[in-house]
Amino acid sequence: DSGVTQTPKHLITATGQRVTLRCSPRSGDLSVYWYQQSLDQGLQFLIQYYNGEERAKGNILERFSAQQFPDLHSELNLSSLELGDSALYFCASSARQQTGGRGYTFGSGTRLTVV
Amino acid sequence: AQSVTQLGSHVSVSEGALVLLRCNYSSSVPPYLFWYVQYPNQGLQLLLKYTTGATLVKGINGFEAEFKKSETSFHLTKPSAHMSDAAEYFCAVIGTGANSKLTFGKGITLSVRP
Repeated sequence: DSGVTQTPKHLITATGQRVTLRCSPRSGDLSVYWYQQSLDQGLQFLIQYYNGEERAKGNILERFSAQQFPDLHSELNLSSLELGDSALYFCASSARQQTGGRGYTFGSGTRLTVV
Repeated sequence: AQSVTQLGSHVSVSEGALVLLRCNYSSSVPPYLFWYVQYPNQGLQLLLKYTTGATLVKGINGFEAEFKKSETSFHLTKPSAHMSDAAEYFCAVIGTGANSKLTFGKGITLSVRP
């Protein structure tokens, strides 16, 4: 157990729908990162939050959004889902805004299947 | 921006054989380098990392990697493969810049033959 908790583990939904993925960071970590892992794109950084505020954006679609709440858990919202959004979505956390050599701790991921 | 290149997408070795997974980085200054492992249907687990200091880094499960600045490489090795090593391995990099994020290579699938 890495200490980063992601729910649900699996999600199957239809095209055009909206889903919310949840992440609880490791105790004491203030930064949360979201990554998307797909067969064709590999692991892509989506977005980072630090202590409730957005800090960096990567290859995140406009249909996707995220937020971090006062208790530091984070949610990734995916809307108007398309077949191509099917992927494994990882959350990671770190203690600080810039981790340098400390790296990130990853959760076990949410597998999203859009049908 | 920093990046890493992992050569090949699949490596197959016999049990007991040497494991060598290659990773080259692209950075104007030595970055922080990581190897993560992903077992089937699981998340990403940190194997080892290079920050500063000793260039030969030892990690979990008998893996080690050597940082070679002259070759811009950070190859992962294990002297003797076990069946349980079958997984996907990712090399990753964080630069030293203020806005640098963990960037992954494409990953290499390691198969271990009995």
